[in-house]
Amino acid sequence: ILNVEQSPQSLHVQEGDSTNFTCSFPSSNFYALHWYRWETAKSPEALFVMTLNGDEKKKGRISATLNTKEGYSYLYIKGSQPEDSATYLCAFSAGGTSYGKLTFGQGTILTVHP
Amino acid sequence: NAGVTQTPKFRILKIGQSMTLQCTQDMNHNYMYWYRQDPGMGLKLIYYSVGAGITDKGEVPNGYNVSRSTTEDFPLRLELAAPSQTSVYFCASSYPIVGPMNTEAFFGQGTRLTVV
Repeated sequence: ILNVEQSPQSLHVQEGDSTNFTCSFPSSNFYALHWYRWETAKSPEALFVMTLNGDEKKKGRISATLNTKEGYSYLYIKGSQPEDSATYLCAFSAGGTSYGKLTFGQGTILTVHP
Repeated sequence: NAGVTQTPKFRILKIGQSMTLQCTQDMNHNYMYWYRQDPGMGLKLIYYSVGAGITDKGEVPNGYNVSRSTTEDFPLRLELAAPSQTSVYFCASSYPIVGPMNTEAFFGQGTRLTVV
């Protein structure tokens, strides 16, 4: 069983706060690590797909880092806004004999209070 | 460009009934997936496929079957519905057959299934 773990499970912050979440994943059979944003009553949408150890990606106020050797990724949100409220999912894309398999963590629910 | 289309959007089944959730994608993707969303558990992988004619079990395959006879379609079959299968089901696809290697997944709008 592939264990993709996210922490914290939920987070409440004030508008303007910066925050970060963690995703841990197996360090073997790695192909890519994904981050998705999932708003209520919608479908998940991709934020980042990272493949190389040390990768850093940025989209506006949101950024992510990747450490494949130790099996973790961080997602950062700078100056949180109420519209950032959503569930943030990470997903492990496997290589090797399990290539194509995409396994999600349980998500971090972010609520940003005005 | 429709992307990933799931039907139906909602369905109520009685225990023991069977049904097929349809999923089709028009992005010429190799990989397709079925997930179920359970409260507090994120998305659990039921089955996946890396190409036409190839399917494999995910984390929670029991009670479900799939087939992939074409690149576009990946139906999910529930043979004997049970209350434990009450959930929201999402189909997704990724990895273009032609073009840059990209495993970003695109999701359908979900199917809300209730088994009573």
